[in-house]
Parts: sequence; C-alpha cells; structure tokens
Amino acid sequence: AQTVTQSQPEMSVQEAETVTLSCTYDTSESDYYLFWYKQPPSRQMILVIRQEAYKQQNATENRFSVNFQKAAKSFSLKISDSQLGDAAMYFCAYRGLTGGGADGLTFGKGTHLIIQP
Amino acid sequence: NAGVTQTPKFRILKIGQSMTLQCAQDMNHNYMYWYRQDPGMGLKLIYYSVGAGITDKGEVPNGYNVSRSTTEDFPLRLELAAPSQTSVYFCASKVAGGSEQFFGPGTRLTVL
Repeated sequence: AQTVTQSQPEMSVQEAETVTLSCTYDTSESDYYLFWYKQPPSRQMILVIRQEAYKQQNATENRFSVNFQKAAKSFSLKISDSQLGDAAMYFCAYRGLTGGGADGLTFGKGTHLIIQP
Repeated sequence: NAGVTQTPKFRILKIGQSMTLQCAQDMNHNYMYWYRQDPGMGLKLIYYSVGAGITDKGEVPNGYNVSRSTTEDFPLRLELAAPSQTSVYFCASKVAGGSEQFFGPGTRLTVL
C-alpha cells in the first residue's frame, strides 16, 4: 500500500517570505499523480498544484511550485511571496493508476502553515 | 454548476442510530468518492464508485454502506453509529480520465 508522509506538523513564515513544505511517499508503481491540497478553516479542499510522475519538469502555478524528486520519492511545495491568505492546512496526496484511473487519493497528515504579518 | 454538494452540513447522532449522508454532483462525473477526516489527520478513502451500479471498498469501509443508482448521487449510509465514526466526511467526484478530484464542503458528524 502507498503511504504519504509529511514530517512537518506546523510551519511558520513571515509574510512575503518563501516557505517549503516537505512530503515523501512510498510506492512500487512507476506512474502516478501527486497533489498538494490546501484546506483553510472553512475546511473546503482546494487543489493547489499537481504533478504527473512521468513528467520530469516540475509543476508551477503562479507563486506555488514543486520540487519533484522521483528517485528519492520526494515532493515538496514551495510558496513564494507568502500572503496572509495562504494560511491553512496543506495536504500532500498520491494517486496511483493501477485502478484504471479510479483510484482514490492517499493523503499525508498535513502541515499547518502559519503566516506571520 | 453547483459542483459537489453535501447534506447535511452538521449532524449529531446518538450511539446506535443510523443516517444517510447525501452527496450529489452536477458535472456528469463517472467517478465518485467518500472520504473521512479525523481530527489532525489527512483524509482516508471509505468507498468509491466508477459509475451507476458499481461500487468498491476503500481503506476504511467498515461500518458504512454505499449505493449508486444514478450518475449524480452517491449516498453514504451509517448503520449503528459508533463514537469512532465521529469525523468530517467529504464526497468528491472526478471525470473518467481526469486527474483532479472535486470535493464537496464536507459534513461534520458527531456520535455521542
């Protein structure tokens, strides 16, 4: 079974600074998807960024980018120019492709990101 | 589009009671999912469905049942509620071949 580990229960960063959230995963599959989700206090799950394992290029979405190291099974999220609205729980998630694309997501325990004004 | 909707938003149950959590989506997605999120944890998959009439177990299916009679609806049934089922429940859907799952707003369930 796949596992996702987020080793930082909480991170704090000054507004406008850069922060990196860590995620490692364990899988025997060669093709899969990785995701970062944001969960603000409203508890709505919001997709931040996704990465296809077969793509070597790291995904970017505006101020959000990832460092995907497939051999190391590492998938970190970098948030540049942190804003107060970035404060939330961030979850790393894995989805394999053995179920023909129907597989559910496997989540880490999350990192609580605090933005200091 | 309303996206993925869930009812109720909150519910308190007594031990041994039963209830159905409702989930509907209007995006014509084939795949639908139920997750639970315990305090301080990530989401865990309970059940999923790849289309009307087809369901399968996820990581934590015990104590739950599902059915999928239409593409739009995917209700989750709790029989004999237990305190261990106190959690936030999320429904999600995805188009076949797509990567992104779209989540509903969640239902907070407390069993006392």
